[in-house]
Amino acid sequence: DTGVSQDPRHKITKRGQNVTFRCDPISEHNRLYWYRQTLGQGPEFLTYFQNEAQLEKSRLLSDRFSAERPKGSFSTLEIQRTEQGDSAMYLCASSTRLNEKLFFGSGTQLSVL
Amino acid sequence: AQSVTQPDIHITVSEGASLELRCNYSYGATPYLFWYVQSPGQGLQLLLKYFSGDTLVQGIKGFEAEFKRSQSSFNLRKPSVHWSDAAEYFCAVGRQTGANNLFFGTGTRLTVIP
Repeated sequence: DTGVSQDPRHKITKRGQNVTFRCDPISEHNRLYWYRQTLGQGPEFLTYFQNEAQLEKSRLLSDRFSAERPKGSFSTLEIQRTEQGDSAMYLCASSTRLNEKLFFGSGTQLSVL
Repeated sequence: AQSVTQPDIHITVSEGASLELRCNYSYGATPYLFWYVQSPGQGLQLLLKYFSGDTLVQGIKGFEAEFKRSQSSFNLRKPSVHWSDAAEYFCAVGRQTGANNLFFGTGTRLTVIP
């Protein structure tokens, strides 16, 4: 069990640029979640995959945000035309089945200048 | 809609003292409740969870929490705090159906003084 891996750990970008983050869940976990955490707040749910199917995406913050999990293994979260308000920690988590505990990665810290 | 309130933003306790972190939730049905801990540079780690049954649940690192339906509370306790417990603590509520997404409170930062 190597845990949930996220890459990169830190990303600095200029406003208007596109960024993509990667998450590798624990290998046997079929459920994958993306959260966003801003300073002084708890994690905020963004979207959820079961295998390759994106089952809930209504919480994605705008149409600039999109996520994929093409083969039901790793996932990517893309933010297009980044804004300063997108600066946050982006967390990925995975689990085996409904209401089993979520295993979180260490996150990707995004800074938009 | 689910929501979680952690009324204490920051708590300072002396090492060896007891600890209670408060959590109140709002949810229309029986909730699933969780406490997570986050240390700097670390991912969120599950301390304990409540799904059903015994309302007093034991977790890792000597933590426990009690579910009180009448008060809509799920407070976290530890009888004797260690310096290594200094971290950010998050209470979360989950749905019993559908996606397993959790709704988190804003967190309580714990400082432990010698």
